[in-house]
Amino acid sequence: KQEVTQIPAALSVPEGENLVLNCSFTDSAIYNLQWFRQDPGKGLTSLLLIQSSQREQTSGRLNASLDKSSGRSTLYIAASQPGDSATYLCAVTNYGGATNKLIFGTGTLLAVQP
Amino acid sequence: EAGVVQSPRYKIIEKKQPVAFWCNPISGHNTLYWYRQNLGQGPELLIRYENEEAVDDSQLPKDRFSAERLKGVDSTLKIQPAELGDSAVYLCASSSRTGNTEAFFGQGTRLTVV
Repeated sequence: KQEVTQIPAALSVPEGENLVLNCSFTDSAIYNLQWFRQDPGKGLTSLLLIQSSQREQTSGRLNASLDKSSGRSTLYIAASQPGDSATYLCAVTNYGGATNKLIFGTGTLLAVQP
Repeated sequence: EAGVVQSPRYKIIEKKQPVAFWCNPISGHNTLYWYRQNLGQGPELLIRYENEEAVDDSQLPKDRFSAERLKGVDSTLKIQPAELGDSAVYLCASSSRTGNTEAFFGQGTRLTVV
């Protein structure tokens, strides 16, 4: 059974710092890994999608890496801003016919202090 | 292009009452998901549709929950009767096809059962 873990559960940094969020998963047979952002009381916004054959994806100040063999992904945020404050969730999609679905971690709550 | 649309955004009901949620996926997306997110947790899949067929409903509490996706477009999720433990955010998501494509989420419906 696939399990997704995110560390740390919460993180507070001063504005301008670079930071790394971690995601690990137990079953490497995945289609892809997706990083989401969730603001309080809101739905999920897709940030980056990494296919299983890829090593990383970049969008603006965000860079996500994937090491499928070790079951790890990182989300790097450069030059953090107060507007980056949110919960960040990672999710994997497993292989397997009718079991295809996003399996989420519990998220990292990020606070960027001005 | 409009994203995934859900309604209502908020719902407060008394226990034992029925409640229904509606979702309109992104146009052309064949795959539709309903997730439930408890406070401080990642979303968990309730049911997944491929067009109008429910292909994964293993985590749907079928004694009180039901869902339908008529004509393979809009979907409704119903709870009858609601229990206190059903209080959560119900999220709808869609993707163009299962597995290897990006999933997009709606804003969610926050249900409070009192």
